Amino acid sequence: AQKITQTQPGMFVQEKEAVTLDCTYDTSDQSYGLFWYKQPSSGEMIFLIYQGSYDEQNATEGRYSLNFQKARKSANLVISASQLGDSAMYFCAMREGSSTLGRLYFGRGTQLTVWP
Amino acid sequence: DGGITQSPKYLFRKEGQNVTLSCEQNLNHDAMYWYRQDPGQGLRLIYYSQIVNDFQKGDIAEGYSVSREKKESFPLTVTSAQKNPTAFYLCASTPLIPAPFLAPGELFFGEGSRLTVL
Repeated sequence: AQKITQTQPGMFVQEKEAVTLDCTYDTSDQSYGLFWYKQPSSGEMIFLIYQGSYDEQNATEGRYSLNFQKARKSANLVISASQLGDSAMYFCAMREGSSTLGRLYFGRGTQLTVWP
Repeated sequence: DGGITQSPKYLFRKEGQNVTLSCEQNLNHDAMYWYRQDPGQGLRLIYYSQIVNDFQKGDIAEGYSVSREKKESFPLTVTSAQKNPTAFYLCASTPLIPAPFLAPGELFFGEGSRLTVL
């Protein structure tokens, strides 16, 4: 079974609008971490935001927020006020357990296109 | 500047040839990882190493080999046994004890190596 599921292969949003990228995860661990990375066409992976399983509040980093719904096992990324430079591939990932050296499981990604 | 350096950035190989991708980090990170990326597949783990002289297979280790003789280096060899090696390869690392401003388990990535088999 997939550990991370991203059901939207592609999303389109107009500049200045908000967009939500979906991510669901599957784990039986109580301790885990959820990550979002951005990959522009250049190929580099840019860390965006992190949510720990015990964090009670949703994580926020500037225009990025993570809508964490633990019971539903979802960790959607919300980008507010989209910019043209937000056009990229976005990956959701999960680390199971409490070890910081554990592997990350990645989803298949969502290609976001921001249009003017 | 600290970071992860992957080389070469682009590599062409004939079928039947082994090729080694280099990954070096000067971040003093403990764990290092190799991921493979194919269109529509996301990132899949090939191998990872949490400590020098030790490494574990990931989900798609067949046809690949690694070594971790030094903390800062984690080269990946794509052998002739790998049936479809054309892909984008990403190396990453993470520290055992993250700095206060880092997320626990946050991976730092190199710029990637694109391998094409002719």
